[in-house]
Amino acid sequence: QKEVEQNSGPLSVPEGAIASLNCTYSDRVSQSFFWYRQYSGKSPELIMSIYSNGDKEDGRFTAQLNKASQYVSLLIRDSQPSDSATYLCAVIGYQLIWGAGTKLIIKP
Amino acid sequence: DGGITQSPKYLFRKEGQNVTLSCEQNLNHDAMYWYRQDPGQGLRLIYYSQIVNDFQKGDIAEGYSVSREKKESFPLTVTSAQKNPTAFYLCASSMRTGGFSNEKLFFGSGTQLSVL
Repeated sequence: QKEVEQNSGPLSVPEGAIASLNCTYSDRVSQSFFWYRQYSGKSPELIMSIYSNGDKEDGRFTAQLNKASQYVSLLIRDSQPSDSATYLCAVIGYQLIWGAGTKLIIKP
Repeated sequence: DGGITQSPKYLFRKEGQNVTLSCEQNLNHDAMYWYRQDPGQGLRLIYYSQIVNDFQKGDIAEGYSVSREKKESFPLTVTSAQKNPTAFYLCASSMRTGGFSNEKLFFGSGTQLSVL
């Protein structure tokens, strides 16, 4: 059974600090990695995708991928209250598998 | 304005009743998907379709049925055989076919189904 694991949280971070979200996966053939943000009662929206080892930056967001250790992380710099949401990790190998999500709370 | 439209936003099902959730897209995407999301859990795939008149079972297809008579439309029927249907249902689409790829998924706004 291929799995994607995330800490369910909630992860509480002060406003302006860096939020760090982690995701581990079990399928070594995984090639594509995504972070989606989901507000309560809403649908997920893609915020980052990463396909090769290393860091990928987009504004306040940085995705980090380490295929040897089978983990992918998302860093959110200068966290804002509007970043409070559940963050879903999704991984594609032979199929698309979703993590259960980490609930992030940014405290003003 | 391109996107995916799901309706209704809220739906209530009575015992023994079949209900149908609508999903329409005008993105000209070939692939469409239905997911179920329960509180505190990730998305679980119910059915997916890569082309008109063809669809495949996902991980939790029992108690559900779909059709794909038009490229734009992929309705999901929750049958009376689904004994625990209360969940948030999400329809999605992507451009690529041929199985899952590195294409992003576009989601509808979701339907919350509850049992009366």
